[in-house]
Amino acid sequence: DTEVTQTPKHLVMGMTNKKSLKCEQHMGHRAMYWYKQKAKKPPELMFVYSYEKLSINESVPSRFSPECPNSSLLNLHLHALQPEDSALYLCASSQDRGLSNMKEKLFFGSGTQLSVL
Amino acid sequence: AQSVTQLDSQVPVFEEAPVELRCNYSSSVSVYLFWYVQYPNQGLQLLLKYLSGSTLVESINGFEAEFNKSQTSFHLRKPSVHISDTAEYFCAVSPRGGAQKLVFGQGTRLTINP
Repeated sequence: DTEVTQTPKHLVMGMTNKKSLKCEQHMGHRAMYWYKQKAKKPPELMFVYSYEKLSINESVPSRFSPECPNSSLLNLHLHALQPEDSALYLCASSQDRGLSNMKEKLFFGSGTQLSVL
Repeated sequence: AQSVTQLDSQVPVFEEAPVELRCNYSSSVSVYLFWYVQYPNQGLQLLLKYLSGSTLVESINGFEAEFNKSQTSFHLRKPSVHISDTAEYFCAVSPRGGAQKLVFGQGTRLTINP
C-alpha cells in the first residue's frame, strides 16, 4: 500500500460551519504534512507532524487546527473559514529520514477541494 | 529564505519533440532540488531530485535534470515527450540541514499535442 488517502474529495462549507479533513496512510511513515494549493498556484506548506508531534506551523491562522491522533492519521479541523480559504488541501507523508536521505520521499494524496461560501 | 522561479507558466510541445522546463532558485544557503509532477485531479509525485554528487540526475521515465550551481538552475529535460507527459511540473527546493520543508515554484503546465 503506497497510498495517502484523503477524505472527502470535495467539501463545500459556510463560514460558520465546523468541518474536518482526514488523511490516512499505512506505509509506516512517521512524518505527515498539510499543504494548501490555490488554483494555478504552487502548494504551500501549512503544518508538519513528526512522530505525532507538531514540528512546523507556518504561521497558519488558528481557524485551521491540525491533529495527529496516531502515526497513520492526520486531521485538519476547520472553523469559521473565509472564502479566500477555498483551495485544494493536500496531505503528504514520508519516512522522516530527512530530505538529505536519498530514500526520503514525500507521498501526496490527491487532495480535498474545499469551497467556502 | 528560499525562492523558486519557473520561467514558463505553459509549454506546448508536439509529441516526440524534446522539451526543457526551466527552473531557477535563490537561496542564501545550500539546497536540495526537486522536480514534482502533478497529473490532473491527483496529488504531486516526485519525479527526481538532486542531493549531492553527479549534477545530472535521471528519472525512470526518461526525464533528466542538471544542477548548475553557478547559474542557480535545475532545468528539466526530456528528449522525446509522450501524450502521457501532459501535466503540471513543479520545481522545489529545501535548505540543507533544515527542516522537512519544500518551497515550490509556480509550476509549468506541459501540454503535449499529437
